[in-house]
Order: sequence, then C-alpha cells, then structure tokens
Amino acid sequence: QSALTQPASVSGSPGQSITISCTGSRNDVGYYNHVSWFQQHPGRAPKLMIYEVTKRPSGTSNRFSGSKSENTASLTISGLQSEDEADYYCCSYIGSGAYVFGTGTTVTVL
Amino acid sequence: QVHLVQSGAEVKKPGASVKISCKASGYTFTSLHMHWVRQAPGQRLEWMGQIKPANDRGNYAHKFQDRVTMTRDTSTSTIYMELSSLTPGDTAVYYCARDGGNYGDSEYWGQGTLVTVSS
Repeated sequence: QSALTQPASVSGSPGQSITISCTGSRNDVGYYNHVSWFQQHPGRAPKLMIYEVTKRPSGTSNRFSGSKSENTASLTISGLQSEDEADYYCCSYIGSGAYVFGTGTTVTVL
Repeated sequence: QVHLVQSGAEVKKPGASVKISCKASGYTFTSLHMHWVRQAPGQRLEWMGQIKPANDRGNYAHKFQDRVTMTRDTSTSTIYMELSSLTPGDTAVYYCARDGGNYGDSEYWGQGTLVTVSS
C-alpha cells in the first residue's frame, strides 16, 4: 500500500486560510469515510485534529475543518496562526483493519 | 486521565530484535484498539499495525507482516511491539497510540521510543 499523496509544503500569511490535500484511490480515501488528520510539531508526538473526514475532537480549534471529494480529502486551516506552523499528515483506513498515512505537508506561516 | 508511557531508547545491531512496551492507564485497557506508528529521522509517519487488547488480535501492515509481533499483557495494561531482523532502515521513533472507538481517532499517544540500529 503506497502512501497517500500530499503536497510537500503549503504556506500562508497570518489570518489567511490554507488547504492541504490528501489524494488516495477509490480503494481507500474514495471508499471509506475514515480519513484522519494529525498535526506534528518538531520533536513531538502527533496530535489528532480531524477524524472520520469532518469530525473534530474536543479541544481542537474550529479553525480546522475537513472535507472529502471522491479520492481526495482536504484539511482547511482558517485564520492561520503562528502556532499552526507544523507538519500535517492525513491517514486513511484501507480495510482489513489497516491504515496508511500520507506523505506529509509542512505548513509555513509567513 | 489517559496516559501512555513507553519504554526507553534502544540501540541494536543489524539482525537483532527489539521489543518496545507501552503502558496504558486512566481507562479500561481492554476496551479500545491500540496502534504502533513509526517515524524514521526526517521522514513521514508510517502505520505498522494495531492490536485489540480484549483478545490479543493484531492487524499488521503488509510491509511488516513477516517480522512484527504485537502482544498485550492485561495484568499490567501494557502492549508490546517486537520487530525482528532489524536493519539500519528500522532506525526510527516508534509511537503507540490509542483509538477512541471510531476509525482513526487516535487522540492519545505515547512519548515515542527511539530505536537506533547500527553496527
């Protein structure tokens, strides 16, 4: 199972909105509504931001939102803040109890 | 309060095996799946597998199927991940993570265990 495809980097100015894409196939992202997004700061464990495409854990800012269209899931960060600067990974269920992560995207706040 | 505490860093030689532990507390240990995820230096997250503590049943990524074993000890609320036939490419930080009852909602993570494979 190959990694899901994400852009290597995305940048934006404070207050702007950015969107990170996560492209898979009809066998993973396109088939299951089980896409999660994780934020990871350097040297830290990943933090769950979104699960099941659109759901936010309690404590996750509503500036983070998820969506999906066919084989591509997306994470949108609105009102970009300096603390949003981090790596972001998508993750999809692929059946038979297995998952796959994306290639990762580095978000830079200009 | 949920806590996942992993064992300390390991240094292994190529061909050896490593066994990492992850001790859970703050919830009913057998109620939720747990995952192992690794991250090589400067690289992406990589899902290795998951275990259902209730019945010790695991699902492994195809890549690791032949050399990974995930187990649990309900008496100590601890899960283990053993990886054999190590190569320098297995040098990574290994994380355990706990599901929340839905697909992919791993909200709780261990602090990570660095495994270095070097001759």
